[in-house]
Parts: sequence; structure tokens; C-alpha cells
Amino acid sequence: EAGVAQSPRYKIIEKRQSVAFWCNPISGHATLYWYQQILGQGPKLLIQFQNNGVVDDSQLPKDRFSAERLKGVDSTLKIQPAKLEDSAVYLCASSSTLVETQYFGPGTRLLVL
Amino acid sequence: KQEVTQIPAALSVPEGENLVLNCSFTDSAIYNLQWFRQDPGKGLTSLLLIQSSQREQTSGRLNASLDKSSGRSTLYIAASQPGDSATYLCAVTHNTGNQFYFGTGTSLTVIP
Repeated sequence: EAGVAQSPRYKIIEKRQSVAFWCNPISGHATLYWYQQILGQGPKLLIQFQNNGVVDDSQLPKDRFSAERLKGVDSTLKIQPAKLEDSAVYLCASSSTLVETQYFGPGTRLLVL
Repeated sequence: KQEVTQIPAALSVPEGENLVLNCSFTDSAIYNLQWFRQDPGKGLTSLLLIQSSQREQTSGRLNASLDKSSGRSTLYIAASQPGDSATYLCAVTHNTGNQFYFGTGTSLTVIP
């Protein structure tokens, strides 16, 4: 079974630029999660989708972050404009249902200069 | 808001030793608790998932326990090996099914 795919793996941008991350979950998984993991901290949930609907986005900084999962499969997370404090690893995960085991992708490491 | 704490933040043990990692959470209204492993530069791998109605789960040399009423979970690793070196994270799911919270992790080093 193929795992969760993410791209790019690394990204370096300057502050105020825009960036987008892509995630392809495990086939058949209805639930998709985006997390932000700052160095030395545990992952923080940014947004959670059930199919193409948002279940929880309470910790998403909506003034600069956006995410979509239009067809209930792939998802993109966008930051516009980026700030220095957005430097982190952005992890995507998927699960078959809301409360089952989550499977994580390798993450995208973002550095904002 | 749920707070998840892991102690210690870092741990070094000689190979072959048994060890316990601790996780505590402030809100007992959880659906389940998971233990993950994270290797440097990589994503997370799920190790064990304990439903709120369960007391423990075992997989190979790993045993996780859950005491929901006291807000605690432990991960027991038997006969540690250098390959066990990684960061171990616990995470709880709120009983509504969303609101997923991670701890800050315990960095484990097993010395050959």
C-alpha cells in the first residue's frame, strides 16, 4: 500500500513570499490532516478534512494560511504572505475515519528567510 | 484546552535496558491515545493506539498503558536496542473525534 505523499520535501523562501504544499493521502482515506511542527515541539494540528469538508480549522491562521481538498483526495496548503515564524516542518496525515490511526507523510521542511 | 505533557524530554540508556516513557493529559474526555515514533527528518510512524475503553496495548517489545481517569499513559520498551533511538510522541483525540493534540515528545538515545 502506497503511503502518504508530500511535495516538495524542502522549500526556502523569503518573508512575504507565497508558498504551497501538496499532499496525496492513502487511497480510500476519507480524513486528511495538516500539521505544523516547529523545531523542538510536537506537531500542531492546523486543519482537518473529512472528504472535502473542513472538520476543524480552529488553529489555522486564516489571515495567511489556506487549505483546500476540492475533490476529497489531494490537498494543498498555502501560506501567503510567509513570515519568519512560519519556518517549520509541515506534515500531512490521513486516516480511514476520524478516529482511526493516522498515517503520516515525510513532511515538507520550510525555511523562511 | 487539552494539554499533553511528556516527561522526560530526553533520555539516554544503555542497550538492553528496559525503559518507560510518560505522557500526561489534562482533559480525560478522550476517544483514544496514540504513541508515535519520529526519526530525524522523517514523518511519524504510529506504534500503538489505545481506545479510551482499553487499559493497554502490546506490540512486540512495546507495551502502552492508559489510565484515563488520572490522565496518564506510559510506553514501556523492553530490551532496548540502538535502533529504538528516536523521538517518541503521544497524542490524544478528543471524544468528539476531532481536536487532536500532540505532546512535545521524548528524545530517546540507546547507547550500544
